[in-house]
Amino acid sequence: QKEVEQDPGPLSVPEGAIVSLNCTYSNSAFQYFMWYRQYSRKGPELLMYTYSSGNKEDGRFTAQVDKSSKYISLFIRDSQPSDSATYLCATSSSGSARQLTFGSGTQLTVLP
Amino acid sequence: NAGVMQNPRHLVRRRGQEARLRCSPMKGHSHVYWYRQLPEEGLKFMVYLQKENIIDESGMPKERFSAEFPKEGPSILRIQQVVRGDSAAYFCASSLGTGQTEAFFGQGTRLTVV
Repeated sequence: QKEVEQDPGPLSVPEGAIVSLNCTYSNSAFQYFMWYRQYSRKGPELLMYTYSSGNKEDGRFTAQVDKSSKYISLFIRDSQPSDSATYLCATSSSGSARQLTFGSGTQLTVLP
Repeated sequence: NAGVMQNPRHLVRRRGQEARLRCSPMKGHSHVYWYRQLPEEGLKFMVYLQKENIIDESGMPKERFSAEFPKEGPSILRIQQVVRGDSAAYFCASSLGTGQTEAFFGQGTRLTVV
């Protein structure tokens, strides 16, 4: 079993839709949770990070962590074609960027 | 402020040759991380370095792979005697300090072994 499971998609939605991306993890030691966006042939770009359980909002993006169920989510409101990318969830047991454990990524396409 | 710079962007090597991947961290960053991304898989941690020190190499294959981050110059990931299974995208990330969760990734080097 992978430490972080993520539905690979692909996920295709119309412009303006609300997108929900999800990951589950198995290691209770994970305390830090991140979402990265990766455009084709580019490096991952950090979108959101949260510590422990709770919600964090940044513009059209909301990250949600439920440690009791080991479930992390990213919501994208009013999705735009420019949001089309692969979204990677990542976790860490420390406050450091070392040894981030990534999901395999969900490929999202927002259709104009 | 330039981001994390990796070169080359694309590298083709024949089986048995050596591959050298370079990474210059963001200005002011002294912590470098190397990750490998295989097709259809997530990024996998390989090694964490600070200047002149390897801090954690638990993700590095035991043979043929080595990494360094000298006092001057970029970090180097070196793969000796490459095999087809080494074909992947190799990403470097850097952070400001050890307590910083926010790591900035480079564009990656895509290694193809033919």
